[in-house]
Amino acid sequence: GAGVSQSPRYKVTKRGQDVALRCDPISGHVSLYWYRQALGQGPEFLTYFNYEAQQDKSGLPNDRFSAERPEGSISTLTIQRTEQRDSAMYRCASSLGAGGANEQFFGPGTRLTVL
Amino acid sequence: AQRVTQPEKLLSVFKGAPVELKCNYSYSGSPELFWYVQYSRQRLQLLLRHISRESIKGFTADLNKGETSFHLKKPFAQEEDSAMYYCALTGAGSYQLTFGKGTKLSVIP
Repeated sequence: GAGVSQSPRYKVTKRGQDVALRCDPISGHVSLYWYRQALGQGPEFLTYFNYEAQQDKSGLPNDRFSAERPEGSISTLTIQRTEQRDSAMYRCASSLGAGGANEQFFGPGTRLTVL
Repeated sequence: AQRVTQPEKLLSVFKGAPVELKCNYSYSGSPELFWYVQYSRQRLQLLLRHISRESIKGFTADLNKGETSFHLKKPFAQEEDSAMYYCALTGAGSYQLTFGKGTKLSVIP
């Protein structure tokens, strides 16, 4: 079956605009994760969903960032009033079971550039 | 706080030479360690995890709790091993992976 998909793959926006990044996990995977990866860095955890419940949002850098997974499948990461420092690769992952010990399957990522 | 350190940004080896990618961690508890790999134009994928004690594509990694290390090794490097390698850690009951900054392995023909 298909792996994790993300859209758009590339997004260029102007500072101050809102952006919505979409993640479609592997069918049947209960857990969904968002990570952000700046250039030259490893992925950094943003938030975690178990089904539709956002169980950990400790990695969201500030209140401009929010995420939802209303039906326990597709998730959207929204960044309001984007800033240049938000430019990064945003990676989504899903796993069959709950918890970080389960293998996480990553999507191709969305590269966000804020001008 | 948990932390993963990969001291080498870039590692170049000749084909057939041994490879060791270093990973050290900081975690107060029993961690679970992983190596993820990203080949060119592909997505990040799990290579191996310490609890399974497997050899994947000829790579092995042993968790050394005394030295807090989880180095990735392969006795004979192949060109197709050229990729970005990330060491990652999670703890009991945790949902998130903490990644190192990654090491780019370049295998010279």
